[in-house]
Amino acid sequence: EPEVTQTPSHQVTQMGQEVILRCVPISNHLYFYWYRQILGQKVEFLVSFYNNEISEKSEIFDDQFSVERPDGSNFTLKIRSTKLEDSAMYFCASSGLRMNSSPLHFGNGTRLTVT
Amino acid sequence: DAKTTQPPSMDCAEGRAANLPCNHSTISGNEYVYWYRQIHSQGPQYIIHGLKNNETNEMASLIITEDRKSSTLILPHATLRDTAVYYCIVRVSNTGNQFYFGTGTSLTVIP
Repeated sequence: EPEVTQTPSHQVTQMGQEVILRCVPISNHLYFYWYRQILGQKVEFLVSFYNNEISEKSEIFDDQFSVERPDGSNFTLKIRSTKLEDSAMYFCASSGLRMNSSPLHFGNGTRLTVT
Repeated sequence: DAKTTQPPSMDCAEGRAANLPCNHSTISGNEYVYWYRQIHSQGPQYIIHGLKNNETNEMASLIITEDRKSSTLILPHATLRDTAVYYCIVRVSNTGNQFYFGTGTSLTVIP
């Protein structure tokens, strides 16, 4: 069964550094998402992406964050200058064409630790 | 924010059916109900979704009341590996972006 893959599984970085989290969505999917989950808290929506542009973003997704689909397969989340509070699990997801009725399929996440 | 209400925790004996309830009294006519689960810190795993008819797949059954204000996820023969947090989600907008996770139900399957 096709799946969403994320790399790396764990990223450790120092405060103020830039990080790029990578995702390979399911190949025929058209909608891409990033979510995060701070330890012990809810899964939170960050951003959705369709047709090479952001279609929606939450208030968490500020100017420090950006997303990109640099080629036909990868979908990346960049955090420009990491803060301690960015430490979390980051989940990528993708879904098919029929937006309201197509489930999101999630990867197993990247654990980001900012020291 | 989440438009659903779920009990915070439930137990179920191994081999028995696990019935997880969810209230979504403000659901609109074109909004689907989705169920996901999260085992430990893994990514949320899709289980099933439906609009108004009951649905069944290899993992579970979804029973939606006629007024659509509530639903029940049924795991017919719970195993220890079904221990997880189960999320009932109503997709808020037709853009499909507002996919909010609440706090879910922590299901513990007991041997």
